[in-house]
Amino acid sequence: QKEVEQDPGPLSVPEGAIVSLNCTYSNSAFQYFMWYRQYSRKGPELLMYTYSSGNKEDGRFTAQVDKSSKYISLFIRDSQPSDSATYLCAMTLSILTGGGNKLTFGTGTQLKVEL
Amino acid sequence: DTEVTQTPKHLVMGMTNKKSLKCEQHMGHRAMYWYKQKAKKPPELMFVYSYEKLSINESVPSRFSPECPNSSLLNLHLHALQPEDSALYLCASSQGPGTSGRVGTYNEQFFGPGTRLTVL
Repeated sequence: QKEVEQDPGPLSVPEGAIVSLNCTYSNSAFQYFMWYRQYSRKGPELLMYTYSSGNKEDGRFTAQVDKSSKYISLFIRDSQPSDSATYLCAMTLSILTGGGNKLTFGTGTQLKVEL
Repeated sequence: DTEVTQTPKHLVMGMTNKKSLKCEQHMGHRAMYWYKQKAKKPPELMFVYSYEKLSINESVPSRFSPECPNSSLLNLHLHALQPEDSALYLCASSQGPGTSGRVGTYNEQFFGPGTRLTVL
């Protein structure tokens, strides 16, 4: 079993739809939960992060973490064609004392928002 | 400046060649990372440098040799690669440990655009 599971898609939705992206994980020690967006032939860019359980909202994006179920979600409201990208969930333990932080990524969900 | 730059953008090399990938950031970050990403797969961590010292090596074959000459630069030296090493190589940087000092603050990893490597 992979540490982080994510439906690879592809997911195709019409413009204006609400998109729900999800990941499950097995390591209960994860504390930081991130969503990265990666456009084709580009590096990932951080959309949002959440520490421990709870919700976080930023514009059209809402991230949810349910640590009891080991489940995280990203909701995109009023989706736009410019949201078409691969969305990667990522997790990490507490900040490493030795340096940096080691991210464990999901496989990524490819999203296409159509006009 | 919140940018991580990587050169070259594309690289084609033979199995007997020696080449280097370069990464640079001027955000004052003290942690730098190399990732390998195959098509339709997530990035896989290869190395982490913290304060110019290697802190994590994810059991990467010795044909990949990282180097951190100073706090802004990170190199990845390549020698005797195999065709299966063809991938997108991503560099990232983040603030080092202790710079945020607060529980719940994630030191964001900023990624470069990557170098697309093809090994013939």
